Amino acid sequence: AQSVSQHNHHVILSEAASLELGCNYSYGGTVNLFWYVQYPGQHLQLLLKYFSGDPLVKGIKGFEAEFIKSKFSFNLRKPSVQWSDTAEYFCAVSPFYNNNDMRFGAGTRLTVKP
Amino acid sequence: GAGVSQSPSNKVTEKGKDVELRCDPISGHTALYWYRQSLGQGLEFLIYFQGNSAPDKSGLPSDRFSAERTGGSVSTLTIQRTQQEDSAVYLCASSDRPQGDGYTFGSGTRLTVV
Repeated sequence: AQSVSQHNHHVILSEAASLELGCNYSYGGTVNLFWYVQYPGQHLQLLLKYFSGDPLVKGIKGFEAEFIKSKFSFNLRKPSVQWSDTAEYFCAVSPFYNNNDMRFGAGTRLTVKP
Repeated sequence: GAGVSQSPSNKVTEKGKDVELRCDPISGHTALYWYRQSLGQGLEFLIYFQGNSAPDKSGLPSDRFSAERTGGSVSTLTIQRTQQEDSAVYLCASSDRPQGDGYTFGSGTRLTVV
């Protein structure tokens, strides 16, 4: 089965700093890739997704992620973070032909200091 | 319904007791998933149901855990003889098509075993 690694467990940034959260996956075939976000006290919600096409994907709130197939990576980026971006971020992967088998990474907690 | 509904939202139980957690997916969603979110452990896949197919139980941590989905809709996750390490937030999600826009998550059930 596919698996996901998020190497950063807790990232602390000041407002306006740039963000990059790492995500690497392991799977032998074509994949769908996702980033989910969980703000304090709220549900998990979809931030962005990649199915095919342009490997640079833009999501909500100024986030983007780049799929680099050769590196099995799907890192999340934001050029300038805000205090409201404080949340936990989860990378997820599913086989391309079966989105109903999604596996999540352990998550990265982002704290943005005002 | 408008979203994925889980009940109860909080459950405190004594070690050794059985508990049942309920998930009401979005109407018409054919796929339903259970995940466990533990402090510092991220999101752990437990089980998923897809239509009338046999469920994928590969993530259930022990035979004390079981789940069923009646009539292709409501699902119940049962934990027998609860242990303190079962304490976690149990999340349910549903999805409506093989390559949909990711999952819609419920707000979870926080289980505390004392």
